[in-house]
Amino acid sequence: DAGITQSPRHKVTETGTPVTLRCHQTENHRYMYWYRQDPGHGLRLIHYSYGVKDTDKGEVSDGYSVSRSKTEDFLLTLESATSSQTSVYFCATGSLMLNTGELFFGEGSRLTVL
Amino acid sequence: SQELEQSPQSLIVQEGKNLTINCTSSKTLYGLYWYKQKYGEGLIFLMMLQKGGEEKSHEKITAKLDEKKQQSSLHITASQPSHAGIYLCGAHNTGNQFYFGTGTSLTVIP
Repeated sequence: DAGITQSPRHKVTETGTPVTLRCHQTENHRYMYWYRQDPGHGLRLIHYSYGVKDTDKGEVSDGYSVSRSKTEDFLLTLESATSSQTSVYFCATGSLMLNTGELFFGEGSRLTVL
Repeated sequence: SQELEQSPQSLIVQEGKNLTINCTSSKTLYGLYWYKQKYGEGLIFLMMLQKGGEEKSHEKITAKLDEKKQQSSLHITASQPSHAGIYLCGAHNTGNQFYFGTGTSLTVIP
């Protein structure tokens, strides 16, 4: 199995506080992704990275920022958490070669914003 | 924007029954991926389809990609409780954004 760990796995915070979720990989994959999963919406892409310091927005990027200073770490930051950001967050990594482009997923981070 | 529509949204079947989940894209797909998610866990890769008309099988799960590469189906034969979970189709675009359908929740009743 791909070595992808997310931290924290569970977090409860209050509206207006900053939150950072960490994704760490040991696979040396070039691409890393952050998704949120909500009932009725499936997985929605927040931000992704295609290399160190190279990131881009996904479909639901408002209120989120990311950073990737090392190949192995991809951080997702909520500058000022809101209740609408209560969700389960998944990190994924991949090499995205055209013939073997599967993504590998972390176990998820459950965030509750009160 | 890229969109993948899945149907049905949820499915409840008796153990031993066959079932099919569909995934439709608004654009031609470069590759179509099927994942399974057990409740509360991360996603597990099932299989990838790339060529029009391609069909792949793993144990009792078969996936097909149509000739136009805009629709895929996932078929489970003789379903078992271990098949229960959420099935998602996914694809990536030329910009390397990897996006998913809304998912199909499968319940298998023993």
